[in-house]
Amino acid sequence: QVQLVQSGAEVKKPGASVKVSCKASGYDLTDSAMHWVRQAPGQGLEWMGWMNPHNGNTKYSQKFQGRVTLTRDTSASIAYLELSSLKSEDTAVYFCAKDGPGTSLELWGRGTLVTVSS
Amino acid sequence: SYELTQPPSVSVSPGQTARITCSADALPNQYTYWYQQKPGQAPILLIYKDTERPSGIPERFSGSTSGTTVTLIISGVQAEDEADYYCQSADNNISSWVFGGGTKLTVL
Repeated sequence: QVQLVQSGAEVKKPGASVKVSCKASGYDLTDSAMHWVRQAPGQGLEWMGWMNPHNGNTKYSQKFQGRVTLTRDTSASIAYLELSSLKSEDTAVYFCAKDGPGTSLELWGRGTLVTVSS
Repeated sequence: SYELTQPPSVSVSPGQTARITCSADALPNQYTYWYQQKPGQAPILLIYKDTERPSGIPERFSGSTSGTTVTLIISGVQAEDEADYYCQSADNNISSWVFGGGTKLTVL
């Protein structure tokens, strides 16, 4: 069935970078845009950016501009989120989500917990 | 920047109707979407394009719109509906997506 499988939890030190993967199965990765959304502990959802896997075009939230990079490996059907210069406030669950009807996010991965701690 | 405002919490007794509002501070002429999130789980798309329901979503979930306010309506609330609900829209002018702050639905 159609699903998004994300990589496992990460623990990073402040100032480091993290790269989270999201493998698409049951559909062609290049058929739909991929979004990334994060959720800090006890907080709401925060949109980070999206990528068109077909051509690699990206759009980032202004808040993360300069620190976030979205890439993909179409041969492996994997989308990636890389976040640099990590701070403790970046501790959150990071979700990938497949574009759906209109501007909806119709299918979500289960999330990857990234903990930033010294 | 474009913002969506939701009430932090809504409480309702089983079998009653819950209404969760989402107000926009501007009129980007974009559709609104609703998601349900239970603790420890990923969000699920409940309503798309203001009023449409994806396959598999129970009919008790519906959406309505009036001016700059959209409403998620849950008819005949069940205990399993206790969750956080988020509205979402997009500003296509700047290709930016935005979420409301979320509403915690408590079933009394």
